[in-house]
Amino acid sequence: AQSVTQPDIHITVSEGASLELRCNYSYGATPYLFWYVQSPGQGLQLLLKYFSGDTLVQGIKGFEAEFKRSQSSFNLRKPSVHWSDAAEYFCAVGAPNFGNEKLTFGTGTRLTIIP
Amino acid sequence: DVKVTQSSRYLVKRTGEKVFLECVQDMDHENMFWYRQDPGLGLRLIYFSYDVKMKEKGDIPEGYSVSREKKERFSLILESASTNQTSMYLCASGSSIEAGAFFGQGTRLTVV
Repeated sequence: AQSVTQPDIHITVSEGASLELRCNYSYGATPYLFWYVQSPGQGLQLLLKYFSGDTLVQGIKGFEAEFKRSQSSFNLRKPSVHWSDAAEYFCAVGAPNFGNEKLTFGTGTRLTIIP
Repeated sequence: DVKVTQSSRYLVKRTGEKVFLECVQDMDHENMFWYRQDPGLGLRLIYFSYDVKMKEKGDIPEGYSVSREKKERFSLILESASTNQTSMYLCASGSSIEAGAFFGQGTRLTVV
């Protein structure tokens, strides 16, 4: 069974600084990997995804993530954060299996932006 | 844009009540999911469905049941609500694992 670990519960970053949110997964083969963002009181919005090809993927809102098989990681990055990026971020892993194509989520990382 | 609509944003129910949470999607997706979100625990899968009248247990199905009579609608049922079911409930739908899942706004349920 797949699993996801987000080791950072809460991260605080200054506006304009760079950001990296960590995600490690456990799965026997190449998984499908996703990053979602949740603004306060809202549902989850898909930021980006990876399942094959170029290991550096671009997403919405200026985010990118890099798949590193050797480290079982899929870290999310942004070169310069904006106050509107304050939210909770979830990494998720999925495995192709007809009739059982579900996503398993990490526990989330809450991002605070300081002026 | 994909739209996943949950019938209520906030609900307050009494212990022992039967509670229905409704979810409708407008993109003809085969797969639908119910997750529960609690602080520090992330999202945990309660049930999912990959076809009409089909359902599979997720990681925490105890105390819940589901119904999918039509492709666009997936209902979560709390047979006898308890205070430990106070939580945020998120519905999602998707066409395939590659596409990911699209989420509704969530229903914050309080059981008193």
